[in-house]
Amino acid sequence: DTEVTQTPKHLVMGMTNKKSLKCEQHMGHRAMYWYKQKAKKPPELMFVYSYEKLSINESVPSRFSPECPNSSLLNLHLHALQPEDSALYLCASSQVSTAGANVLTFGAGSRLTVL
Amino acid sequence: KNQVEQSPQSLIILEGKNCTLQCNYTVSPFSNLRWYKQDTGRGPVSLTIMTFSENTKSNGRYTATLDADTKQSSLHITASQLSDSASYICVVSDSGGGADGLTFGKGTHLIIQP
Repeated sequence: DTEVTQTPKHLVMGMTNKKSLKCEQHMGHRAMYWYKQKAKKPPELMFVYSYEKLSINESVPSRFSPECPNSSLLNLHLHALQPEDSALYLCASSQVSTAGANVLTFGAGSRLTVL
Repeated sequence: KNQVEQSPQSLIILEGKNCTLQCNYTVSPFSNLRWYKQDTGRGPVSLTIMTFSENTKSNGRYTATLDADTKQSSLHITASQLSDSASYICVVSDSGGGADGLTFGKGTHLIIQP
């Protein structure tokens, strides 16, 4: 299995809703990442988990809450989002905790629309 | 500040033609450079990764070059196919490591017309 699987593919939510994005990989990668990508822009790093511990939080608002239950799973809990949070959310994983030396494997993304 | 500049921003070519995409960077200290292909609404897929000592690397019809002295890279696509229509993103990593050591270019949007 050489894939990163993200669910759901599409999500529409209101500003008062609570939802979660899920990411799963079975490549034995010990680093997992959340990126946010707006249309025609490069991905922006949000969070990095290394060995199931949060190692990087790029000053992301608290309405985004990451969780790494185990080495294969990564969740992003969403609450009280704003319309400007609408974007493609990409999960990625890599073999080691530092992305500088390894190639990221990206998931297909979850397209989020906040009404 | 580390920067990655890609050109052109967008490109339209006919199916079967060749094209070359450019990437200039000011990342220091340099570790490696990757080219990703991203289909609309999908996650990026790695095409090539090149380190300081590598000048060229091929992946099928894709050939990447790297000139570490001038800090330039190119991605050449040969005999383009309709499926090549996508955004091509250049990502440069500094040798400090860490996910925040990656600098993404804004991408080149390539459209292949029949």
